[in-house]
Parts: sequence; C-alpha cells; structure tokens
Amino acid sequence: DGGITQSPKYLFRKEGQNVTLSCEQNLNHDAMYWYRQDPGQGLRLIYYSQIVNDFQKGDIAEGYSVSREKKESFPLTVTSAQKNPTAFYLCASSNRGLNTEAFFGQGTRLTVV
Amino acid sequence: GDSVTQMEGPVTLSEEAFLTINCTYTATGYPSLFWYVQYPGEGLQLLLKATKADDKGSNKGFEATYRKETTSFHLEKGSVQVSDSAVYFCALSGSSSYGKLTFGQGTILTVHP
Repeated sequence: DGGITQSPKYLFRKEGQNVTLSCEQNLNHDAMYWYRQDPGQGLRLIYYSQIVNDFQKGDIAEGYSVSREKKESFPLTVTSAQKNPTAFYLCASSNRGLNTEAFFGQGTRLTVV
Repeated sequence: GDSVTQMEGPVTLSEEAFLTINCTYTATGYPSLFWYVQYPGEGLQLLLKATKADDKGSNKGFEATYRKETTSFHLEKGSVQVSDSAVYFCALSGSSSYGKLTFGQGTILTVHP
C-alpha cells in the first residue's frame, strides 16, 4: 500500500541530545513537509522540500535541521538548540502542482526527559 | 501572510445532532481549501476539499462550500455519530505555495450517545 511511514511512534530524549525522526514515502511525491503540533495551536510548518537536494525553512525552523538526499526520504533532526522540543511531529507529502492536498504520516511523539 | 481561523472549541454534541464548525481565511489570490480530521494518536486524514469559489466538497456526510465573498469554508454534517469524535482542522494552500498548508488551530468534537 502506498503511504507515508514515520518512525518511531514514540521517542524519548534527554536534554542536550540530538535526535532524528524518520519519514519515508512511496507515493512518488516530489514535495515533503514537517509540521509540529502542540495542543491548541494547530500545526506549524518546520521545513519543507519541493525537490531532492533542496529544502526551505518554514515558520519555526530554529533548532531543527533536515536533509533530502532521496525522493522517498525526508528525515528531521531535533537539535539541542531547540528550546522546547516536546511535541507531536507530523510528516507529509504532496505533488508539486497547485490545488494539491497533502498526505500525512501517523506522527512521532517526542518527549524530552 | 495567509491565515486560517476556526471557531473556538471544544464542541460537544449528542448523537444525530447537526454540526457546524466555522472556518474563515485570509489569503491572496485563489487558495485551495481543505478540511482534515485527526483521530486520537494518529496523523491527519483529508476529509474534503474545494479548489475554487462556490465549489462544494463532500465526504462521509460532511460538506463545506467555498465562499469567496465571505472568505469562509464552514464544515457541516446533518447527523453526527459517536465515531465522528475527533479533531477537525481547516487548512488552505495558497495560490503560490504549491502544497504548503496553513492550518487553523483545530476544533475538538465530542459526540455522546
């Protein structure tokens, strides 16, 4: 089945550590996105990529980094510089044209302990 | 910049009641509009969409009409079920944003038997 796979579903991190969240898609989509979800705040865009080897900062990129070496993969690293990393992280992908909807993974819940 | 405003929640209804969740937006040009649904602990699923003025999106008994004159995209359902309990997000994709979504803050819906 085509879709987006995020792993792990739950992740615990100690303060001061970097951690990488995985996102893989087999929908043949050009564009991929990372969103952060906090209670009562909707989803906020962290980074997005419209093509391999290219990506742009979203609204809340500070403390995060990404790479896009393959069309299918868009990993997100939460660095120690991110002041409040505990959140639910959602990866999405879409075609690049106008009027196109995004498809979402099941999410990764990151908790800093 | 683009923005989406949803009615304040949470919303609590009895089974078979009528549902309206208000959504208004601010965007330049002609955005596409979406409603996504999120069940507990999961990612987002597309519920319906509309890509031009006066379009009506519909799915699973839910409907929303793209009203450019009032910049609105209100979600309605004539008779809700317990299984409709979830968080509902209104979102837009701007005419130049190629799939990048701007979300409202989400509305929690709880339906009691």
